[in-house]
Amino acid sequence: GQQVMQIPQYQHVQEGEDFTTYCNSSTTLSNIQWYKQRPGGHPVFLIQLVKSGEVKKQKRLTFQFGEAKKNSSLHITATQTTDVGTYFCAAREYGNKLVFGAGTILRVKS
Amino acid sequence: ETGVTQTPRHLVMGMTNKKSLKCEQHLGHNAMYWYKQSAKKPLELMFVYSLEERVENNSVPSRFSPECPNSSHLFLHLHTLQPEDSALYLCASSQELGARVHNEQFFGPGTRLTVL
Repeated sequence: GQQVMQIPQYQHVQEGEDFTTYCNSSTTLSNIQWYKQRPGGHPVFLIQLVKSGEVKKQKRLTFQFGEAKKNSSLHITATQTTDVGTYFCAAREYGNKLVFGAGTILRVKS
Repeated sequence: ETGVTQTPRHLVMGMTNKKSLKCEQHLGHNAMYWYKQSAKKPLELMFVYSLEERVENNSVPSRFSPECPNSSHLFLHLHTLQPEDSALYLCASSQELGARVHNEQFFGPGTRLTVL
């Protein structure tokens, strides 16, 4: 079945450093979504990417969808303590259900 | 507040008990989902009710039984669970527009289930 690989599993950064998480699929995707889950919370939708090569920004967060629509990345510039949590990608093949990656846990040292 | 509520928030049950989890969405969505989130594992989709069709993950044991009486309410009936079923059970909803367009999912706060 469809699988989504997300790396790294865990990253611990100093406040102010950048952070990137990557999501990869062996198959072409219809779209990809990104979610954030704070410690003790539930996943909250961040963004959806649909077009090949698409780049979207939300303040310090930059989301990219690969040209082949098989991979995506989330980059955070100058991390803050409020960025801590687990970031999940969720990918969908055409006509199939949404599949979540394992998530990347981000910890920020102040 | 995401517009998706779940009760109870915490549940401890024995392996011989029968219990039900409840989810309600106030967003007017037409699709609802049950997910299982275990430590160190990806979110696992258990069941989907979308556009009046039920889709399930074939790997979900029969001791989990969903019920969707209408588009706003979703239940997960539990019976004879095992300790490895202890996890956070998340409900989500979305507005589906057909096979090719899928909107974001809104999650509830989850029910933390412990099976003794």
